[in-house]
Amino acid sequence: GAVVSQHPSRVICKSGTSVKIECRSLDFQATTMFWYRQFPKQSLMLMATSNEGSKATYEQGVEKDKFLINHASLTLSTLTVTSAHPEDSSFYICSARDRGAKYQPQHFGDGTRLSIL
Amino acid sequence: DQQVKQNSPSLSVQEGRISILNCDYTNSMFDYFLWYKKYPAEGPTFLISISSIKDKNEDGRFTVFLNKSAKHLSLHIVPSQPGDSAVYFCAATPNNNDMRFGAGTRLTVKP
Repeated sequence: GAVVSQHPSRVICKSGTSVKIECRSLDFQATTMFWYRQFPKQSLMLMATSNEGSKATYEQGVEKDKFLINHASLTLSTLTVTSAHPEDSSFYICSARDRGAKYQPQHFGDGTRLSIL
Repeated sequence: DQQVKQNSPSLSVQEGRISILNCDYTNSMFDYFLWYKKYPAEGPTFLISISSIKDKNEDGRFTVFLNKSAKHLSLHIVPSQPGDSAVYFCAATPNNNDMRFGAGTRLTVKP
């Protein structure tokens, strides 16, 4: 099946640090990738939709200057958490969809556990 | 806004029996529905999906039923196996972009 690779799996860093998370589709091309955030015992919340070659679309309440998204190729999207603070600590997950037919499921990476001290 | 709801946070069934996980939605624009399975510290794994033009889709032990008039879908797993124990998320989307997830149901299959 489709494989999405997300790296790193875990990050622990000091407050004020910027952290970059990579999401790659390994065996398909993804015009669109998605970034989610999951708080403990809660569901996945869509943060933004990343479109190859254009600006990301952010969900209401998500600061685009805090969470920078770049989708430079059909197989790679990056999320940079800028000047991270403890409240940014969370589980971040990306997903990607094959740019084929409309009814294609999103496939997820294994997530990044971000802990800001 | 909770457009997708999974009202049962947990479900426990005996191995070999049927597991039925339920999901309700409010947005009538949703036209594609999916079920994902998730283990701790991993991303969700796609299980099965259904488009709004169908009312049933089957894949091996997994069957998804869609009742559009009731805005309800369910996932049936039969027979249930201990390896099916995980958190199951229901998801729905109006355009296969803005996917909304339920809160998840933790399924435990007892040997």
